[in-house]
Amino acid sequence: DTGVSQDPRHKITKRGQNVTFRCDPISEHNRLYWYRQTLGQGPEFLTYFQNEAQLEKSRLLSDRFSAERPKGSFSTLEIQRTEQGDSAMYLCASSFPARPYEQYFGPGTRLTVT
Amino acid sequence: AQRVTQPEKLLSVFKGAPVELKCNYSYSGSPELFWYVQYSRQRLQLLLRHISRESIKGFTADLNKGETSFHLKKPFAQEEDSAMYYCALSPGANSKLTFGKGITLSVRP
Repeated sequence: DTGVSQDPRHKITKRGQNVTFRCDPISEHNRLYWYRQTLGQGPEFLTYFQNEAQLEKSRLLSDRFSAERPKGSFSTLEIQRTEQGDSAMYLCASSFPARPYEQYFGPGTRLTVT
Repeated sequence: AQRVTQPEKLLSVFKGAPVELKCNYSYSGSPELFWYVQYSRQRLQLLLRHISRESIKGFTADLNKGETSFHLKKPFAQEEDSAMYYCALSPGANSKLTFGKGITLSVRP
């Protein structure tokens, strides 16, 4: 296991298109988190899962955003009808439930909406 | 609401100089505070946690509840300390992290 992986690493899309990102956590980790980071800002929490259950969603996560973790392993984050303001780095992280603060981050997916 | 403030964007020091990266927080309860670091072309990773009271890579951070601060310190900076540093807060049992905007530390030879 080489750590948290994310796919794709870069995505350029036109406004109005839908995009989907994938995150594969470290296999022993049952908690998975999504963050968004824009230029000059720290990561902002979007949502997190424990196994397949989505336990919390940020108010940042509008109706156009949806995340799933159907089998408690990988997760997908979908953005519908993308807007230019969605351009950001989308980070995924995972952790053990006993050490939720020690989050292992993936390399991120950089989304550019033109 | 919880908030983490890192008032400076950049700190540039010479090798061997002391370093203090400032972090202030706002939270009504008893939070857990952390420092995360991102080295060039690497992923964001945990540096240290206030509860552990450890020194990691020569860095320490003390939680000052009176001043609601959690400054990161190192007495003698090394060039390999150059990185982006983020202060983060978690409201206890909840694992959600709230990050500050980060500070770039540049250590010159």
